[in-house]
Amino acid sequence: GDSVTQMEGPVTLSEEACLTINCTYTATGYPSLFWYVQYPGEGLQLLLKATKADDKGSNKGFEATYRKETTSFHLEKGSVQVSDSAVYFCALSPRIRGGADGLTFGKGTHLIIQP
Amino acid sequence: DAGVTQSPTHLIKTRGQQVTLRCSPKSGHDTVSWYQQALGQGPQFIFQYYEEEERQRGNFPDRFSGHQFPNYSSELNVNALLLGDSALYLCASSLAAAGYRTDTQYFGPGTRLTVL
Repeated sequence: GDSVTQMEGPVTLSEEACLTINCTYTATGYPSLFWYVQYPGEGLQLLLKATKADDKGSNKGFEATYRKETTSFHLEKGSVQVSDSAVYFCALSPRIRGGADGLTFGKGTHLIIQP
Repeated sequence: DAGVTQSPTHLIKTRGQQVTLRCSPKSGHDTVSWYQQALGQGPQFIFQYYEEEERQRGNFPDRFSGHQFPNYSSELNVNALLLGDSALYLCASSLAAAGYRTDTQYFGPGTRLTVL
């Protein structure tokens, strides 16, 4: 079945540091890929997405590129802020014509940014 | 534009009881999915409803059931509650494009269920 593997956390960085959170996936076909963010006590918010190979999703300074050859979708940001502290989830959705698409999530990476 | 809403926010039940959680999708969305998120874990897919029918189900027992109403809102029912059912239950809505996969899922704030 489909699966998503993320780097274990917590990841602790200083403000203005560079961020990379690794995500690799296993899926049949050509899934869509997502990064969701969860702030304390809240639900999930979509951060960015990519629907086909070599697509780059971007939002709020975060970027991730869909790499089919390495089955990866790593999340990057050039300069993190304290407000970026949250839990980040990588997820995939199967591309099934006319079919359902329950998301498969990784376990999440807790990011802590220190001033 | 209202986003996905869920009720109640918190719920406390005892083992063996039954619970019903409710979800209203984002305006214009017609598909509702439910997820269970245990503490410190990623969400796990329970099932998805479209056109008032369950069209995909994850690896959850029959104690978990649902319903979708003509206005696209949805309920999640859990019978014979176990301690292990304690979790954050998330509802997500999306729009099904005719003849193709559904679009991005948008999540509600969740219902925190505690089973004692």
